[in-house]
Amino acid sequence: DVKVTQSSRYLVKRTGEKVFLECVQDMDHENMFWYRQDPGLGLRLIYFSYDVKMKEKGDIPEGYSVSREKKERFSLILESASTNQTSMYLCASTGTGGTYGYTFGSGTRLTVV
Amino acid sequence: DQQVKQNSPSLSVQEGRISILNCDYTNSMFDYFLWYKKYPAEGPTFLISISSIKDKNEDGRFTVFLNKSAKHLSLHIVPSQPGDSAVYFCAASANTGNQFYFGTGTSLTVIP
Repeated sequence: DVKVTQSSRYLVKRTGEKVFLECVQDMDHENMFWYRQDPGLGLRLIYFSYDVKMKEKGDIPEGYSVSREKKERFSLILESASTNQTSMYLCASTGTGGTYGYTFGSGTRLTVV
Repeated sequence: DQQVKQNSPSLSVQEGRISILNCDYTNSMFDYFLWYKKYPAEGPTFLISISSIKDKNEDGRFTVFLNKSAKHLSLHIVPSQPGDSAVYFCAASANTGNQFYFGTGTSLTVIP
């Protein structure tokens, strides 16, 4: 069964902490994405990557960075967590020309206190 | 600016009746559309897709309709079941796969 795995389901962090959210896919997909989901705002794209060591800003990159050192792994980094980054974070991947869209991970519910 | 819009944040339907979820888009370059279903504390899962060369696609109880001239698509669920209660997102892509734009979601409640 193909998978996108996010390392944590729930996280609680303090304001100012550096936070790492990890995502691993086993489908040999080229494209990987990080979204956050907030009520009334839907899914908003933070960063995406089309290849190893490559990254592109999405719609809301401020306060975030990413790392893709290996094809299967795409990490989201909150450089200094703030309370407005409390959200559900979703990682997704797709192959080139993916006719079934994204495969999503189960999500990480991050609370910044 | 939101390129994909779902104007109804919530919808309640009796079990056995039809659920109709609507989605509008603004970018005429979009050529591929998906619907995802999301339960709380889980990631979205693919439900059904349609490309711009078609105006209808069916999969069991789920049918998606596309009206390109109106830039509108809809998802019909017939008959609705309590297990269909979830948030539904529509998504659109301009290049058949690489990046999708999502609507804000519609929370469907099917009442037994």
